[in-house]
Amino acid sequence: DSGVTQTPKHLITATGQRVTLRCSPRSGDLSVYWYQQSLDQGLQFLIQYYNGEERAKGNILERFSAQQFPDLHSELNLSSLELGDSALYFCASSATSGSTDEQFFGPGTRLTVL
Amino acid sequence: AQKVTQAQTEISVVEKEDVTLDCVYETRDTTYYLFWYKQPPSGELVFLIRRNSFDEQNEISGRYSWNFQKSTSSFNFTITASQVVDSAVYFCALSRRQGGSEKLVFGKGTKLTVNP
Repeated sequence: DSGVTQTPKHLITATGQRVTLRCSPRSGDLSVYWYQQSLDQGLQFLIQYYNGEERAKGNILERFSAQQFPDLHSELNLSSLELGDSALYFCASSATSGSTDEQFFGPGTRLTVL
Repeated sequence: AQKVTQAQTEISVVEKEDVTLDCVYETRDTTYYLFWYKQPPSGELVFLIRRNSFDEQNEISGRYSWNFQKSTSSFNFTITASQVVDSAVYFCALSRRQGGSEKLVFGKGTKLTVNP
């Protein structure tokens, strides 16, 4: 158990809908990272927050947004969902702001868009 | 361009065989970090090792060993005397800098199946 929690574990929704994925980092970790894992694109970095502020951005679509709250939990919002958004979404956390730290991954949220 | 290439998509071995997973990376940074992560069938990603670009010493941890060679931009992972529980997808990753921030770039992964 990495200490990173993600909810829900599974999510099934329809095209055009909006969903929110939630992540709680390990106790004491200030950085939260979001990744998308799909069969065709592999494991891709989406976005990082550090202590409430956006720190780095990857291949995140404009339909997606994230935020980190004062208690350091983070939410990834996916809107106007398309079939291609079906994927496993991971959250990871690390102690500091750099991605050179070891990142601890949550169990993931499997999103299925029908 | 900064990227990580894991040329072996799938490897299948019989228990107790040694197996090496290849990782080749490209970066223009002089300072960078390389990682290996394991993703067992249960789906979570498990950290295995982190190595910075200034430390070319090989590392051994039990049945696992890593061979970092800057000259060939490779960071290969060897499992000695493989076991069925080693069956997983293994990802090599590189931390890269872009616009002042650092990002982790993953290879496509190598699926290892260890048969009894």
